[in-house]
Amino acid sequence: QQPVQSPQAVILREGEDAVINCSSSKALYSVHWYRQKHGEAPVFLMILLKGGEQKGHEKISASFNEKKQQSSLYLTASQLSYSGTYFCGTEIPPDSWGKLQFGAGTQVVVTP
Amino acid sequence: DSGVTQTPKHLITATGQRVTLRCSPRSGDLSVYWYQQSLDQGLQFLIQYYNGEERAKGNILERFSAQQFPDLHSELNLSSLELGDSALYFCASSPRTGGAYEQYFGPGTRLTVT
Repeated sequence: QQPVQSPQAVILREGEDAVINCSSSKALYSVHWYRQKHGEAPVFLMILLKGGEQKGHEKISASFNEKKQQSSLYLTASQLSYSGTYFCGTEIPPDSWGKLQFGAGTQVVVTP
Repeated sequence: DSGVTQTPKHLITATGQRVTLRCSPRSGDLSVYWYQQSLDQGLQFLIQYYNGEERAKGNILERFSAQQFPDLHSELNLSSLELGDSALYFCASSPRTGGAYEQYFGPGTRLTVT
């Protein structure tokens, strides 16, 4: 079942903050976050696992609320390079064990 | 550069034809995933292979098939092509199987069916 992302789009000025949410109606095992620039491949940002473990390599933080079955991605002090479409992908065992269902994406535009 | 390679980059073909898309995963990665991305559908999971065996299936049409070879590269075969099959097809790889592992996406193959 596809997770629901909000907002659909956000426009920021450089230095501003934004939050992108990813919600599921079912219990999650893991949440992945990817960013895709126009015409390019999605790029891995973060994984959040049930139990609190996080893996990521960018200066973008995220949280995973198991009770609410929701993850939030925090874009802090945004830079021009943060522009792109952000997708969350969720793994919901047992039906989708090992495969990700992606949300529709949140388009982020950072302006100077 | 993710280390995942896909060929060809662009493919233009007519309805009813058959095409093969190729993917080479990152060195050491055992899992390969195929995704379809069209304008109105977002990223749709098609199928996953792990070390040569099919591991998970998504909304993959019967006209589509895939396999992973002993050298771990994978091919996605699309047959009896329709206009609606026009899309970007991404391959991704990860070290193992399961949601605990990040996926690295290749540059994609843009398929245009005319």
